[in-house]
Amino acid sequence: QSVLTQPPSVSGAPGQRVTISCTGTGSNIGAGYDVHWYQQLPGTAPKLLIYRNNNRPSGVPDRFSGSKSDTSASLAITGLQAEDEADYYCQSYDSSLSGSVFGGGTKLTVL
Amino acid sequence: QMQLVESGGGVVQPGGSLRLSCAASGFSFRSHGMHWVRQAPGKGLEWVAFIQYDGDNKYYADSVKGRFIISRDNFKNVVYLQMNSLRPEDTAVFYCAKDRGSSGYYDLDFWGQGILVTVSS
Repeated sequence: QSVLTQPPSVSGAPGQRVTISCTGTGSNIGAGYDVHWYQQLPGTAPKLLIYRNNNRPSGVPDRFSGSKSDTSASLAITGLQAEDEADYYCQSYDSSLSGSVFGGGTKLTVL
Repeated sequence: QMQLVESGGGVVQPGGSLRLSCAASGFSFRSHGMHWVRQAPGKGLEWVAFIQYDGDNKYYADSVKGRFIISRDNFKNVVYLQMNSLRPEDTAVFYCAKDRGSSGYYDLDFWGQGILVTVSS
């Protein structure tokens, strides 16, 4: 059971928009800690996709965006492409655990 | 360019020990906190441990507290994970990752390629 809750899977057709939610509690997202998102392509290490809620590292397409509100956050992907098929994880800091916490991960399938 | 290269993985019997190393290059190692994150086969990411930039503060997941020890050598640019009393449920790919900041509140902005640890008799 992960501290941050994500849907196990989402899917969409090429060109469509999908969102992935990440729900936390008052000791992590709700306490004001930032949310970050990672993309893990099959067989590879995770890669930072969104940091500090809504910032994209250099090289990440603007089709990816993030938002945060109260105790939850969301990752949105517009103009879905086949290469977006991957696992996506949210991450934040938890003050009661004194460490980082991850969501359980969401598998994105491009139909 | 930035690099994080893990080593030291392998097969170990339950109750045994293993020390992972992560050699860093391409950035100011002594200015950044470092994490270990693991991923059991077919499962999600689990944060394991964090060490502050100067090594003064260390934090652990409850699942490894008292068994794992994180340390670093800022002269050699290496972070270590000493794993003792290993259990079959510790079987995972272990990643080292760089924190954007120094104290562990930020994102993990660069990851190594991972190293497999298998605990089995």
